[in-house]
Amino acid sequence: AQSVAQPEDQVNVAEGNPLTVKCTYSVSGNPYLFWYVQYPNRGLQFLLKYITGDNLVKGSYGFEAEFNKSQTSFHLKKPSALVSDSALYFCAVRDENSGGYQKVTFGTGTKLQVIP
Amino acid sequence: ETGVTQTPRHLVMGMTNKKSLKCEQHLGHNAMYWYKQSAKKPLELMFVYNFKEQTENNSVPSRFSPECPNSSHLFLHLHTLQPEDSALYLCASSQAPTPTYEQYFGPGTRLTVT
Repeated sequence: AQSVAQPEDQVNVAEGNPLTVKCTYSVSGNPYLFWYVQYPNRGLQFLLKYITGDNLVKGSYGFEAEFNKSQTSFHLKKPSALVSDSALYFCAVRDENSGGYQKVTFGTGTKLQVIP
Repeated sequence: ETGVTQTPRHLVMGMTNKKSLKCEQHLGHNAMYWYKQSAKKPLELMFVYNFKEQTENNSVPSRFSPECPNSSHLFLHLHTLQPEDSALYLCASSQAPTPTYEQYFGPGTRLTVT
């Protein structure tokens, strides 16, 4: 079985400061990991993914995430937060050993609030 | 409009009504999905279609009936819904039905059942 946890319902950060949104996962095989962002009244937008290879993944809008197998984490980071980054962020995982098509498990989401 | 479009954006229906949600993807993808998003809950996968064939039905009640006439269009037919079915319904697509591909989402239909 696969599962994902986002331990923080909300993260507040001052504009210009670095931001981190946490995600941990549980899988039986190797994980495929994704980050999505949702702005108000919009669907989810893909930010970045880890499939294999380099543990540091760079994505859209200056975001990056680091895959840490020993800690089973995939935290989302950005060096300098913008007010426009304020949104709901979702981590998602897919166990390579899971059956079925494209059945990813999403976290409950973390609301990021960037304070001017 | 590019990407994934959904209509209507908002829908209010009574419990005895019948309505349909429409989704269209302009990305040339082969897989399409319906999700339910409720407040404070993880995204719930409802249905998956691969090349027009339904490959996943995640124990969804029969009052939700999907239809995929081709790889670009997806419908969700609704009848005799319950108030707890009120939610944001999201359509998504992906290039191929393999788990390494990311999904592209539409803006959703906000459904209210009265």
